[in-house]
Amino acid sequence: QVQLVQSGAEVKKPGASVKVSCKASGYTLSDYYVHWVRQAPGEGLEWMGWINPLIGDTKYAQKFQGRVTMTGDTSINTAYMEVNTLTSDDTAVYYCARDGDEASTISYWGQGTLVIVSS
Amino acid sequence: DIQMTQSPSTLSASVGDRVTITCRAGQSISSWLAWYQQKPGKAPRLLIYKASTLESGVPSRFTGSGSGTEFTLTISSLQPDDFATYYCQQYYTFSYSFGQGTTLE
Repeated sequence: QVQLVQSGAEVKKPGASVKVSCKASGYTLSDYYVHWVRQAPGEGLEWMGWINPLIGDTKYAQKFQGRVTMTGDTSINTAYMEVNTLTSDDTAVYYCARDGDEASTISYWGQGTLVIVSS
Repeated sequence: DIQMTQSPSTLSASVGDRVTITCRAGQSISSWLAWYQQKPGKAPRLLIYKASTLESGVPSRFTGSGSGTEFTLTISSLQPDDFATYYCQQYYTFSYSFGQGTTLE
């Protein structure tokens, strides 16, 4: 079955970077786009962008352009999302996700990775 | 990016009630709309896609309707397990976006 397993929680200082991984199993990473969605404490869902792991093509929400980089390593079926120049506003749970076959939108989710930005 | 607006933000209801949540898109998105349910500390769960298609395994008391810019999610008879936060999401463009959420309490 499809599973997305993310890396563990991180604590970072303002100005630092964080890189979250998302290991896919039950399917081939290059066959589907990987989306990243974040959720600040007590807030709603915020779509950050996607990567097409087959060719490395990406699309970022305007808010994250220039500060977020999404990559994929198809040899180990793993996607990555890096956020630079962290501020306290980046404290959130970050989810990787995949579209479904029928739904053509996000159907499978990772368990989430908590990133805390604090001095 | 397409703005998605949900109403109400919070909805007070009781078991057995029929409830409706509305989602409005900033421009026409045809039927490219999904609904998710999220419980505290958990990832969202897809309930409905293509505005009205029930995801496999989702109870039939959930129904979605609408097209263009106005959409609704209806729960016909609330069950204890349904108290959660609900989000709409458009996927008409390559840039997805979510509504701000509706908490059912």
